[in-house]
Order: sequence, then structure tokens, then C-alpha cells
Amino acid sequence: EVQLVESGGGLVQPGGSLRLSCAVSGFTISGNYLSWVRQAPGKGLEWVSLIHIAGDTYYADSVEGRFIISRDNSKNSLYLQMSSLRGDDTAVYYCATSRGYYSPFDYWGQGALVTVAS
Amino acid sequence: EIVMTQSPATLSVSPGERATLSCRASQNIYSNLAWYQQKPGQAPRLLIYGSSTRATGIPARFSGSGFGTEFTLTISSLQSEDFAVYYCQQYNKWPPITFGQGTRLEV
Repeated sequence: EVQLVESGGGLVQPGGSLRLSCAVSGFTISGNYLSWVRQAPGKGLEWVSLIHIAGDTYYADSVEGRFIISRDNSKNSLYLQMSSLRGDDTAVYYCATSRGYYSPFDYWGQGALVTVAS
Repeated sequence: EIVMTQSPATLSVSPGERATLSCRASQNIYSNLAWYQQKPGQAPRLLIYGSSTRATGIPARFSGSGFGTEFTLTISSLQSEDFAVYYCQQYNKWPPITFGQGTRLEV
């Protein structure tokens, strides 16, 4: 059974940093694209970042320069280092997998809540 | 950036009825479109990809159609568990990967 489990969410002050992790079981991540998608309270889905099989990284304009996505294939895990956090970064953050460029998100984690507030 | 527009924002239907949800892309995305279902407090679930292919385990009452810029998700006979929010997503040209704003299906 494929499982994605996020951790590391919590309350952080504006300007602070936080690191999310996503532990994957049931398949090997090395052959997959991995993404972070977020959802602000009561709002829709927003793609945040993607890391390619080869390690290339892509970001939404809203987080470019503040967030860093990374992966550790040996630990079958995905990470999101978030810095200079703002109130509009408050959201549930989901990790998700896709099989290639022209592929949907086929597996999702249960989400980790990040709240940015003083 | 490809903008995805869903309509209507909210659709009120009764169990057993047919529901038709629409999604429009701001430019040609061929058939590189997915639909997701999201229930309160849950992660999205992939329903349809490639515009019309059901994901594993998705009931046959869910069907997708369309090509280019106009797409439709049809639920042929609504069950109580189908009342949720539905999102379309394009993966033809990215970054950014973009979603529609969602359609809430309610009783």
C-alpha cells in the first residue's frame, strides 16, 4: 500500500522558518516526480513546488526564493524548507507524486498544517 | 500561465440525479487534464486523468470528456458519498501546474 506521511507542520511567527518532511512507503520515489501542493483555509489547491527525477526544481512565483524543495532517495523522503514565512503561507501542505511530465498527481499525503501568525 | 476556470462554483443536485461539471483552459492543453475529488478534512483523490481515463478503483459512474480547452466531468447517478468539491488540473505546460478554483457539489 502506498502511503505518504507529512510531518513538521505547526505554528511559526512571520519571518520564521519551518521544514516539512514527507515519508513515502509502498514504492520507491527515485523514479517519480514529487511535489508540494497547498490549500489555504477554505480555499482551493495551489501547486507550490516540484522536484524532478534528475533533481531539477521548480517553484510557484509566490514562494520562489523563500522555499527550497529537496529529496533524499535513500530515505524515500521529500522535504520543503520554508523561510521568510508570511501570513498568506498559512495552509495545509500536501506532498504528492506524479510519474512524469505529462502526469497527474496520483498519490497524496494527508497534509500538514502550517500556521503563520504572531 | 495556463488559467483553469471551473463552472459552476456550486452545483445543487439530488441523489440519483446526473451532475455535469465544466472546466475550461485558457489555452490548448490537449488531453492533459485531471479531475480530483476532495471531501472535508481529506486530501484530494485522483478521479480522472488524460481527460477521460478513470483512475484505479474509481466507479464507472464517473466519466470525463473533452480535448483542447473544454472539459467535462459527469457523474451519472449521484451517490451520497459523491457530495464533495471537485477540482480540475492541467499538466500540459508547467511550471506552474495549475488547478481550477473548484466546484462544490451539494445536495
